[in-house]
Amino acid sequence: DIQMTQSPASLSASLGETVTIECLASEDIYSNLAWYQQKPGKSPQLLIYDASSLQDGVPSRFSGSESGTQYSLEINSLQSEDAATYFCQQHHDYPYTFGAGTKLELK
Amino acid sequence: EVQLQQSGPEVGRPGSSVKISCKASGYTFTDYVMNWVKQSPGQGLEWIGWIDPEYGSTDYAEKFKKKATLTADTSSSTAYIQLSSLTSEDTATYFCVCRDGFYWGQGVMVTVSS
Repeated sequence: DIQMTQSPASLSASLGETVTIECLASEDIYSNLAWYQQKPGKSPQLLIYDASSLQDGVPSRFSGSESGTQYSLEINSLQSEDAATYFCQQHHDYPYTFGAGTKLELK
Repeated sequence: EVQLQQSGPEVGRPGSSVKISCKASGYTFTDYVMNWVKQSPGQGLEWIGWIDPEYGSTDYAEKFKKKATLTADTSSSTAYIQLSSLTSEDTATYFCVCRDGFYWGQGVMVTVSS
């Protein structure tokens, strides 16, 4: 199975700041990576697909990038509504696997 | 608009089974495989398996092969997951997901309790 190592586990940042969340894949996943945002009691919402494509309706302050097997989610100009847990997921090969999640708290 | 409407919360006794539904609308049901994902309380996400509604073919993560059974009814555009031999480890929220994460159901909380 492909392992997705996500970091950090938690993050605290202020409004207007920029944060970066990373996921390291245990093998090449050929950009088949998605980022999700999940708020308590809700289902995950797709933010980024294919490593860097922004899902319709998602603010442009969210962006995704990759370098080898390292994938990053950057959130610019943090807003209060960005407080949530973020997950990465590889969908290159079954079984699909997720990162452990990053809980983002706004100061 | 694509929607995945899941059934309501379930309570099952240890050793029993529960069956959850996921009714799809807004697209041709057979166009996408349906995945199922588990989220234990306060925990991360685990992929359970997928079903191709057109052919009925399935694939499961190893740890769910004896736990979950996926089926689909094309006449009602509904996918199902049955969880058997329930234990406390099965207490979780279960999501149906299609098109590689573009669309998620609202989730169903399953509680295993005697």
